[in-house]
Amino acid sequence: GDSVTQMEGPVTLSEEAFLTINCTYTATGYPSLFWYVQYPGEGLQLLLKATKADDKGSNKGFEATYRKETTSFHLEKGSVQVSDSAVYFCALSDQGGNQFYFGTGTSLTVIP
Amino acid sequence: GAGVSQTPSNKVTEKGKYVELRCDPISGHTALYWYRQSLGQGPEFLIYFQGTGAADDSGLPNDRFFAVRPEGSVSTLKIQRTERGDSAVYLCASSLDGVNYGYTFGSGTRLTVV
Repeated sequence: GDSVTQMEGPVTLSEEAFLTINCTYTATGYPSLFWYVQYPGEGLQLLLKATKADDKGSNKGFEATYRKETTSFHLEKGSVQVSDSAVYFCALSDQGGNQFYFGTGTSLTVIP
Repeated sequence: GAGVSQTPSNKVTEKGKYVELRCDPISGHTALYWYRQSLGQGPEFLIYFQGTGAADDSGLPNDRFFAVRPEGSVSTLKIQRTERGDSAVYLCASSLDGVNYGYTFGSGTRLTVV
C-alpha cells in the first residue's frame, strides 16, 4: 500500500543553518506530495505541495521537489529561524484523492 | 467560521464509556475528514465525508467507531465502549474541493481513556 517514510528526529539546528528533512514514498500511480507543519499548540498547516513529477513546491523559504526517479520529496530551507521550530510531516495523497498518508513527523528545534 | 473548530479540546473518559467528538468545518467546505494521531506518529485516516454521506470509511478501526454529518456541515465522531488504546488526538479537516487542494485542520481533540 501507499506509505511515506521520513527522517526521524529530533533535529536541532542553530539559527541560519541549512535544513534538510528527507522524505521518500511508496505509491502506485501518480500521487500528489505535501509537507505539513505543526507549530506548538496549533493544528496542522499546509506548508507546500507538488502534484506531479519535477514540480517544486515552495513557501516561506522552504522548498521541496517531487522526484519520481528517487521517489523522494525532501524538504529544504537555506537559513532557518527560531520561528521555524515545529514538527514537519511529509504526506501523499493517492490517485483516488480521498485521503492522505502521513509520515511520522520530524521535530525541528532552532536555537538562537 | 474562520477555521475548523473541534470540541472539546481535551476529553478524559473512563474505559467502557461512550464519547462524542465534534467538528465544525469551514463554512462552505463540502469535504470533511477525520484522522487519528497517536503519540509520536503521523495522523492516520479514519473517514471522509462528501456532503452528508460517508464516501470512504475504510479507516475506522472497528465497529465501535462511527461518524455522522447529518446536514453536511458539523460532524460528530462517536466511540462506544472506549478502550485505553483509543487514547490519541482526533483531528478533523475540511476542504473546499478535495484532498488535492489541501486540507485545513482543526487543533484536535485529545482523548484520554483511563
